[in-house]
Amino acid sequence: GEDVEQSLFLSVREGDSSVINCTYTDSSSTYLYWYKQEPGAGLQLLTYIFSNMDMKQDQRLTVLLNKKDKHLSLRIADTQTGDSAIYFCAEDQAGTALIFGKGTTLSVSS
Amino acid sequence: DAGVIQSPRHEVTEMGQEVTLRCKPISGHNSLFWYRQTMMRGLELLIYFNNNVPIDDSGMPEDRFSAKMPNASFSTLKIQPSEPRDSAVYFCASSRPEGYEQYFGPGTRLTVT
Repeated sequence: GEDVEQSLFLSVREGDSSVINCTYTDSSSTYLYWYKQEPGAGLQLLTYIFSNMDMKQDQRLTVLLNKKDKHLSLRIADTQTGDSAIYFCAEDQAGTALIFGKGTTLSVSS
Repeated sequence: DAGVIQSPRHEVTEMGQEVTLRCKPISGHNSLFWYRQTMMRGLELLIYFNNNVPIDDSGMPEDRFSAKMPNASFSTLKIQPSEPRDSAVYFCASSRPEGYEQYFGPGTRLTVT
């Protein structure tokens, strides 16, 4: 099917690592994206990975890409309460708009 | 750049009324997208435009919904007549070509009573 799939909820304690997983559909996607939506706001691009990479690190964020399994993950190290948000993964498909997952709500408790 | 601008930020209207949502994309972006977000259905793509031309409107729920992009700096999403089930947050986003990263506006929260 055409769905990008994510788990709906993740709950972690402050200071722990968070791992948000996503499976996508198009093996020819060039870029895969992670967006963050804070309460009452629009989606903002958090990070992205080029499809010929298997890992990208950006400060507390690590993106892992397994092209064989079409699996994308976002790891947030030392998760803070300010990281509480909805996280969307998205893939590009040739000739069409980005395909977004339904979003994973991350809840961080202190 | 001011980013994607949407107006109004909040709209409360009665069932049966016409609602018009507005969007100004980022200058230089040639793709524009309208999304709807609800708790039940998540983020749904309604329609998108390339160079002011509608490309894919398969996500538009029904004939009550219409979207226009008369020029590169303005788009509208109209609902007529509105129904309570149209209550949602409507986002506009823009990008360079359609497959590139999208920049989202702050959204319009629509409540239809």
